[in-house]
Amino acid sequence: EAGVAQSPRYKIIEKRQSVAFWCNPISGHATLYWYQQILGQGPKLLIQFQNNGVVDDSQLPKDRFSAERLKGVDSTLKIQPAKLEDSAVYLCASSSDRGSSPLHFGNGTRLTVT
Amino acid sequence: AQSVTQLDSQVPVFEEAPVELRCNYSSSVSVYLFWYVQYPNQGLQLLLKYLSGSTLVKGINGFEAEFNKSQTSFHLRKPSVHISDTAEYFCAVTKSGGSNYKLTFGKGTLLTVNP
Repeated sequence: EAGVAQSPRYKIIEKRQSVAFWCNPISGHATLYWYQQILGQGPKLLIQFQNNGVVDDSQLPKDRFSAERLKGVDSTLKIQPAKLEDSAVYLCASSSDRGSSPLHFGNGTRLTVT
Repeated sequence: AQSVTQLDSQVPVFEEAPVELRCNYSSSVSVYLFWYVQYPNQGLQLLLKYLSGSTLVKGINGFEAEFNKSQTSFHLRKPSVHISDTAEYFCAVTKSGGSNYKLTFGKGTLLTVNP
């Protein structure tokens, strides 16, 4: 099966600019996650979708971050305006609704904010 | 809420030596536990998981881990490592039950295998 697709792989922007990341999960996977991985740290969950509804966005900085998953398939994560501390790898993951289904991760988007 | 502590940020070993990467967790409820591996510039790949049953879990690439409830640990082991095992390893936890996981990750352990 095709894996989780993310684009772009790399992005460099200046602070206060906006940026968007795209994710296409594995076909049939109802649950989609966005994680932020800052250098030297483990991934931190930003938002979790079940189909096109939000399950958990408690750690999403909503003043600058937004995410949507239209039609319950692919998803976009946006940052506007970006800050220096947003420099990180943004990982998308998906899982099916079958019991004990693990998360499958994409290769991530590395964001550098200068 | 759950939390994970990976006790070593870096572990250097020689090729063909055994290795143990340590992970302790904290939770007031029952948990599921996972180990993921991340190669440079790639996403995370599942190595193994503990959901229930036998406390010794075998995963891919010859890795295994043992769930110890009394010590709240889930250490990862491999009897003989290869150069290709050089990567970052993450331990993760989520509360048990349900099918959608909200994983909490540790900070990772960088395993470096030297010739």
